[in-house]
Amino acid sequence: DTGVSQDPRHKITKRGQNVTFRCDPISEHNRLYWYRQTLGQGPEFLTYFQNEAQLEKSRLLSDRFSAERPKGSFSTLEIQRTEQGDSAMYLCASSSLDRDGYTFGSGTRLTVV
Amino acid sequence: AQSVTQLDSQVPVFEEAPVELRCNYSSSVSVYLFWYVQYPNQGLQLLLKYLSGSTLVESINGFEAEFNKSQTSFHLRKPSVHISDTAEYFCAVRDNTDKLIFGTGTRLQVFP
Repeated sequence: DTGVSQDPRHKITKRGQNVTFRCDPISEHNRLYWYRQTLGQGPEFLTYFQNEAQLEKSRLLSDRFSAERPKGSFSTLEIQRTEQGDSAMYLCASSSLDRDGYTFGSGTRLTVV
Repeated sequence: AQSVTQLDSQVPVFEEAPVELRCNYSSSVSVYLFWYVQYPNQGLQLLLKYLSGSTLVESINGFEAEFNKSQTSFHLRKPSVHISDTAEYFCAVRDNTDKLIFGTGTRLQVFP
C-alpha cells in the first residue's frame, strides 16, 4: 500500500490553458474525494466518487471544472480555460466503505500566471 | 449543515510548554471528528479521530483530543510540544453525505 498518489506535484500554466491532474487512491478504497486549498485556508470540498459514480459536486465546481473516475480506480480533475483565481493546492483523498479514515495525497500545487 | 470553527488562527508557544488548539463543531447528525496536521507544501496527515466510544482519543506522537458533546468541542492538546510540531492543524467533521468539512486551520508555531 503506497498511499494516495497525486501527479504532478507542481504545475505552472498560463491563464487560459487547460490542465489535468491525476489521483491514484489506495487500491481497496472505493470512495475518492477532491478538495481545493488556498493559502491560509482549510481544504474546501469539490466533488467525490463512489466507485465510478460521481455522487456530489460543490457549487465551487464551476463548469470549467470536470472530474472523472472512469473505471472506479484513478481519477482525473480537469480545469479548462484556467484563471488566476484557480491557483491553489488541489488535494485528493480516498476512503473505504466504512469511512472511518480518509487518506490524503500530497496534493498538486497549481500556479496560473 | 455541519460546520467547524477553529477560533485561533495562530498559536505561538515555547518548546516543552503545553498547548491547546480549539475546535468547535455544529452537527445535526451523529458526530465523527478528525484532526489533521499539514506540514509546508504537503498533504494532510491524520492525527486522531473520534468515531464512537471513549471521548478521549490519543495519537502516537503525544497529542490527545476530547470529544465534549455538551460544549460541542473537540480541542486538541499536547502537554509538552517540540519544535517539530510546528505545522498547520485542521479540525474536521464528517457530514451527512460522508465528506469531511474542515475548519480554517490553526498555525502552531513552536519557538526554542
